[in-house]
Formats: sequence, C-alpha cells, structure tokens
Amino acid sequence: NAGVMQNPRHLVRRRGQEARLRCSPMKGHSHVYWYRQLPEEGLKFMVYLQKENIIDESGMPKERFSAEFPKEGPSILRIQQVVRGDSAAYFCASSPLTYAAEAFFGQGTRLTVV
Amino acid sequence: AQRVTQPEKLLSVFKGAPVELKCNYSYSGSPELFWYVQYSRQRLQLLLRHISRESIKGFTADLNKGETSFHLKKPFAQEEDSAMYYCAQYNFNKFYFGSGTKLNVKP
Repeated sequence: NAGVMQNPRHLVRRRGQEARLRCSPMKGHSHVYWYRQLPEEGLKFMVYLQKENIIDESGMPKERFSAEFPKEGPSILRIQQVVRGDSAAYFCASSPLTYAAEAFFGQGTRLTVV
Repeated sequence: AQRVTQPEKLLSVFKGAPVELKCNYSYSGSPELFWYVQYSRQRLQLLLRHISRESIKGFTADLNKGETSFHLKKPFAQEEDSAMYYCAQYNFNKFYFGSGTKLNVKP
C-alpha cells in the first residue's frame, strides 16, 4: 500500500491561472480530507468528501475553490484564478470507512503563486 | 468554535532532557485527541491518540479534562525527536489542528 499520494509536490502558477491538486487515497479508504497550511500557521480544514459526495465544505472559501472525489480516480482540489494569498501547502488525508478519525496524510502539494 | 492551542512555536532542549509540548483544546462533548509528528520533508504521521493510551517512541500524552489539556511528554529527548509536532482534536467529521510546535533537540 503506497499510502496517500499527492501530486504534484510543487506547483507554480501565475496569478489568474488555475491550479489542480490531486490526491489518491490509500487503498480501501473512502474518506478524503483537504487541509491548507499557510506559512507560520497550523493546518486548517477545508473539505471532507466521500466518493461522489461532499460531506462538509465549511472550510472552503466561497469562491474559486472546489473539490471533488469521483467514483473512479483521485480527489481533485481545484483553485480557479489563483491569487498570491493562495500560496500554501495543501495536504490531503484519507481514512477508512470503519474509523473516520484515523487519518493518513499525503506529503502535500506546495502551491506558489507568482 | 473548536480550537486547539499550542502556545509554543519553538521548543529547544538538550539531548537527554525531559520535554513537554503543550496542547489545550476547546471542550465539546467527548473529544478525540491526537498528536501528529512531521519530520523534515516527510508527511504528517500519527504519533499517538488518547483513546489507546499507548506510548510511541517514548512519548506519552495524558488527557486532563479539568484543564482541557493533552500535553505530550518524553522523559529523555533524543536528537531524532527533532520535528514539528501537531496536536489535533477530532470532532464533527474533521480534525482541528494546533499551529504546531517545532521541537529542536540539541546534542
């Protein structure tokens, strides 16, 4: 089991471009979480998804951000029209159905907006 | 609002000294509390959780409901313990993380 895989590890985008961050959960895990870590700050919850369902998106900015976890394929965090303030590390975690609190993290994607 | 507080951004100790990383949480029902560790250039990994009352790599953490604290302790720090440590509370389908404490163990 390769663990939670995130790609790319580093992503550079110009202001106004779109950023797509991918997360492949651990095999057998049906819950995915996205967190954002701004410089000098802790991890902030963004969204919680199950396959084809958004369960809790209370941490997502109202505009430009969206997330999906399709039946097949990785979970995608999409940021449209990126701005400098979106520069951060984005972490994905997955957990099994049986115990949602046992989360395993990916290595993160570091987004830099120039 | 749910909140996890780690008051120390940086903690430096000498090898062999005791270490305590502080964590306070906001009470909401029966919290599930965790400590995660992030070694340099690696992913966050679970260090321990309060429900299992285990000791991992010599670290322990006791839940004190009266003080709403879940401090992480180790009697004798090792250089390989140098890392970022995050306290987390799990409630309502999400983890609430503290801002992290960087532990630096000096030789």
